[in-house]
Amino acid sequence: DGGITQSPKYLFRKEGQNVTLSCEQNLNHDAMYWYRQDPGQGLRLIYYSQIVNDFQKGDIAEGYSVSREKKESFPLTVTSAQKNPTAFYLCASSEQGRAREAFFGQGTRLTVV
Amino acid sequence: AQSVTQPDIHITVSEGASLELRCNYSYGATPYLFWYVQSPGQGLQLLLKYFSGDTLVQGIKGFEAEFKRSQSSFNLRKPSVHWSDAAEYFCACSKGGSEKLVFGKGTKLTVNP
Repeated sequence: DGGITQSPKYLFRKEGQNVTLSCEQNLNHDAMYWYRQDPGQGLRLIYYSQIVNDFQKGDIAEGYSVSREKKESFPLTVTSAQKNPTAFYLCASSEQGRAREAFFGQGTRLTVV
Repeated sequence: AQSVTQPDIHITVSEGASLELRCNYSYGATPYLFWYVQSPGQGLQLLLKYFSGDTLVQGIKGFEAEFKRSQSSFNLRKPSVHWSDAAEYFCACSKGGSEKLVFGKGTKLTVNP
């Protein structure tokens, strides 16, 4: 079945460590996104990519990095520079040139202790 | 900048009662509008979308939404709520084309038996 796979579902890290969240899609979508979700805050855009080897900062990019070496993969690294990394992270993808109907993965809950 | 407002943080209804969730957007032209639903700890699922044409759009799970340009609103409705509808609901908009989705902060729906 086509879809978006995020792994792992739960992730625990010690403060000061970098951690990478995986996002893979087999929908053949050009665009991919990373959102952060905190209670009562809705979804805030971290980074997005419209094409391979290109990506743009979203609203809250500080302390995060991404890469887009393959069309189907868009990993997110949460660096030690991110002040409050504990959150629920959602990856999404959409077709390019359409009205941005986004399809979402099941999310990764990151807890930094 | 475009924005989406969901005035109600939390709504409680009885099973079988009607439901209306409010959404207002701020954008100069007609945006592309979406409603998503999220169960706890899960990703987002698209309920319905509006691009153009008929201002009353039908979605999955018996939901519908009406676009009102004069009120900059895109309210979600359901005639009779089921216990399984308990979830968080997000309204989102986009300028279309290559523009990103902007989300509201969500409305949490509780359904009483």
